Amino acid sequence: NAGVTQTPKFRVLKTGQSMTLLCAQDMNHEYMYWYRQDPGMGLRLIHYSVGEGTTAKGEVPDGYNVSRLKKQNFLLGLESAAPSQTSVYFCASSYSGGVAQPQHFGDGTRLSIL
Amino acid sequence: GENVEQHPSTLSVQEGDSAVIKCTYSDSASNYFPWYKQELGKRPQLIIDIRSNVGEKKDQRIAVTLNKTAKHFSLHITETQPEDSAVYFCAATGFQKLVFGTGTRLLVSP
Repeated sequence: NAGVTQTPKFRVLKTGQSMTLLCAQDMNHEYMYWYRQDPGMGLRLIHYSVGEGTTAKGEVPDGYNVSRLKKQNFLLGLESAAPSQTSVYFCASSYSGGVAQPQHFGDGTRLSIL
Repeated sequence: GENVEQHPSTLSVQEGDSAVIKCTYSDSASNYFPWYKQELGKRPQLIIDIRSNVGEKKDQRIAVTLNKTAKHFSLHITETQPEDSAVYFCAATGFQKLVFGTGTRLLVSP
């Protein structure tokens, strides 16, 4: 039981490049979330999903897209990376009991945009 | 809108002292309040949580209290140890998501 797995762990991109971050969970959780965390700051919600085939915008969605084609996977895409998107990205998931359940976090992806 | 305020932003204590971190929330419908600990370079990890039908919950050296009327909740750590040094985040339920506080950096000096 791996929990929440994020791929890749580190990545360096050039401005304008695109990439996809993968989040996979093996706990059969309905809810999945993508956050970004900048140095010395808290967790800011980018996008989230309350079930397979659904997505919704969070606090800071601009410049990102997401897809939830399979229940266990939640993909975060950067279409044209910008230096302002340099951050640590965390994925989280929670049980189908709704939002009033603990969120389980992955180890994070450190992304640098040059 | 949904908002969670957390204080203080930084807290320094001596080993063995107690530490208290406070959060206030804006959504009166919030019914679940978790606390996460994040060590440097690591993922946030749940350390304790409380639901709105309970006023206090304890787990060894940590406890959380909830005042629904005042819409605030607090984390209490007793007999602090150097390994308690980390950033602590509170959160409250919002619409389909958790709303996180901005974090408290706790430093426990030997």
